[in-house]
Amino acid sequence: EVQLVESGGGLVQPGGSLRLSCAASGFTFSSYWMSWVRQAPGKGLEWVANINQDGREKYSVDSVKGRFTISRDNAKNSLFLQMNSLRAEDTAVYYCARAVGTTEFDYWGQGTLVTVSS
Amino acid sequence: QSALTQPRSVSGSPGQSVTISCTGTRSDVGNYNYVSWYQQHPGKAPKLMIYDVTKRPSGVPDRFSGSKSGNTASLTISGLQAEDEADYFCCSYAGTYTFVFGGGTKLTVL
Repeated sequence: EVQLVESGGGLVQPGGSLRLSCAASGFTFSSYWMSWVRQAPGKGLEWVANINQDGREKYSVDSVKGRFTISRDNAKNSLFLQMNSLRAEDTAVYYCARAVGTTEFDYWGQGTLVTVSS
Repeated sequence: QSALTQPRSVSGSPGQSVTISCTGTRSDVGNYNYVSWYQQHPGKAPKLMIYDVTKRPSGVPDRFSGSKSGNTASLTISGLQAEDEADYFCCSYAGTYTFVFGGGTKLTVL
């Protein structure tokens, strides 16, 4: 059974940093693109970033470029999102999702809440 | 990278059909047959319902179907059931390994 479990969320002040983790199990992690998708309270979904199987290709939405970095550790079946220079508008539930190439996100974690506030 | 446009809400009675639209541009929906749809119940993670415009993952009832015309994709749910009440989001590939989601549609089963 595919499982994705996020951790690392919490309350952080504007300008601060946070590192999210996603532990994957039940599939060959190193064979899949992985993504982060976020959802602000009461709002829609927003794709944040994705990374290819060996970690060499990374793409992100314009609003987080230069502030967020996606990475992975295939030996530990783990996905990460390093978030720096956090802003109030980054407040959201962050989901880890398995990406099927350029087509869809077929499995999602339960999410971790990031709150940016003073 | 503007969000795809969805109606904020739709409703239907049990047994009826409803269609949710998702309008993008020639840079996303209109240019790729990579539209997917997700169902999200309150407090839960999204669930994949349709991918590649028309395909259903294993386990998704055939009451759910997808289509596309030009820059607009659609999700149709036939034979509405109470458990279909949820938020629905469309998503399109937008080139160079980037994606764009719709704002979401709240489906109410009357």
